[in-house]
Amino acid sequence: DQQVKQNSPSLSVQEGRISILNCDYTNSMFDYFLWYKKYPAEGPTFLISISSIKDKNEDGRFTVFLNKSAKHLSLHIVPSQPGDSAVYFCAAQRLNTNAGKSTFGDGTTLTVKP
Amino acid sequence: DTAVSQTPKYLVTQMGNDKSIKCEQNLGHDTMYWYKQDSKKFLKIMFSYNNKELIINETVPNRFSPKSPDKAHLNLHINSLELGDSAVYFCASSQRETQYFGPGTRLLVL
Repeated sequence: DQQVKQNSPSLSVQEGRISILNCDYTNSMFDYFLWYKKYPAEGPTFLISISSIKDKNEDGRFTVFLNKSAKHLSLHIVPSQPGDSAVYFCAAQRLNTNAGKSTFGDGTTLTVKP
Repeated sequence: DTAVSQTPKYLVTQMGNDKSIKCEQNLGHDTMYWYKQDSKKFLKIMFSYNNKELIINETVPNRFSPKSPDKAHLNLHINSLELGDSAVYFCASSQRETQYFGPGTRLLVL
């Protein structure tokens, strides 16, 4: 039972345009969500997060939107840059349980073309 | 300075062998994890330790045994390696919600 899903394995956008990466979850007990970015031959690095009490969190070019009723979140990158080309993982947690255990989606590979 | 380090970075070995992967974090975090990323790129948690105590043990074969000698280290020992163990293994640490990952150990079992 995969509780966090990223249905698009890959996404290709032109430099300067918006990239939208999507993530769906099934467990309504999740109350904290994170996005990680991963370059080849490196470990994932934290990008941005959002608590379930919010529906939007913004950090520079990155914005995460959360729709609790739809159990859906998305990551917007605007404007996209070639250096954003990486695999993006969505992750979900239940705060205050399981010492920060994250359940990960299977990633979306973003390619930003110059 | 590397925050979470793993050794070795690459590991090629024969079926049936026993091998260990070491992980160290210098972030002062209380919690450490092992993840397995298989060929489908899915990141799946295997174990989690908090202050040297095992707190998460997902459905992982008994051939995998984590050991935490102190809060800064979490090693993974694998007995009787099988072909299906070939994957990338990531160590991570956290103090709160955000996890900090090591660079991964690429294990290939022949």
